[in-house]
Amino acid sequence: QSALAQPASVSGSPGQSITISCTGTSNDIGRYETVAWYQQHPDKAPKLIIYDVRYRPSGVSHRFSGSKSDNTASLTISGLQPEDEADYFCASYVRSNNLLFGGGTKLIVL
Amino acid sequence: DVQLVQSGAEVKKPGESLRISCQGSGNSISNYWIAWVRQKSGRGLEWMGIVYPGDSDTRYNPSFQGQITISADKSINTAYLQWNNLKASDTAIYYCATPRTQLLWFGEAFGYWGQGTVVTVSS
Repeated sequence: QSALAQPASVSGSPGQSITISCTGTSNDIGRYETVAWYQQHPDKAPKLIIYDVRYRPSGVSHRFSGSKSDNTASLTISGLQPEDEADYFCASYVRSNNLLFGGGTKLIVL
Repeated sequence: DVQLVQSGAEVKKPGESLRISCQGSGNSISNYWIAWVRQKSGRGLEWMGIVYPGDSDTRYNPSFQGQITISADKSINTAYLQWNNLKASDTAIYYCATPRTQLLWFGEAFGYWGQGTVVTVSS
């Protein structure tokens, strides 16, 4: 199974909003409400920032929000801050008892 | 909270065997499944499989089935990832992670992560 499709990079200026897309199929994103998003800073482990499409774990900024439409999930970061510069990965469970990650998107804060 | 501590970096030759570990601690750690995730060249993540230390129930990503062995020792809340015939293509960072929710795995996001183990396979 192929990885979920994410743009290689997105960029924005401090204070702006950006959206990262994650495209799958009817067997993964389209089938389950299990999309998660992870943030990874260089040389650090991934950190969960969104689970079950739209929910934030305790301690994660309200500036992060998630949504889903058909086979595409989206992560929106509002009020960009320099510390948001990182790699972002989406993930979704798959019909065959498997888990797929996206290829990752590098967020550049200009 | 859950804490996951992984074993240290490894340098191996092609064809050698290796087992790396991930020890969990914290509140009700024995109720959590533990997964392994590979990250090559600092970008993409790949879910390799998951084990429930309580009874060693294990599930594999079909892409990794037969290439690795995932196991656990419930007495020390530790999960293992093992190779019997390493290849240069196994060079990567390997993370262990647990779902947010006790007792469940399918459908659950990974709320806790280990620090990662760097594995380098080179002749």
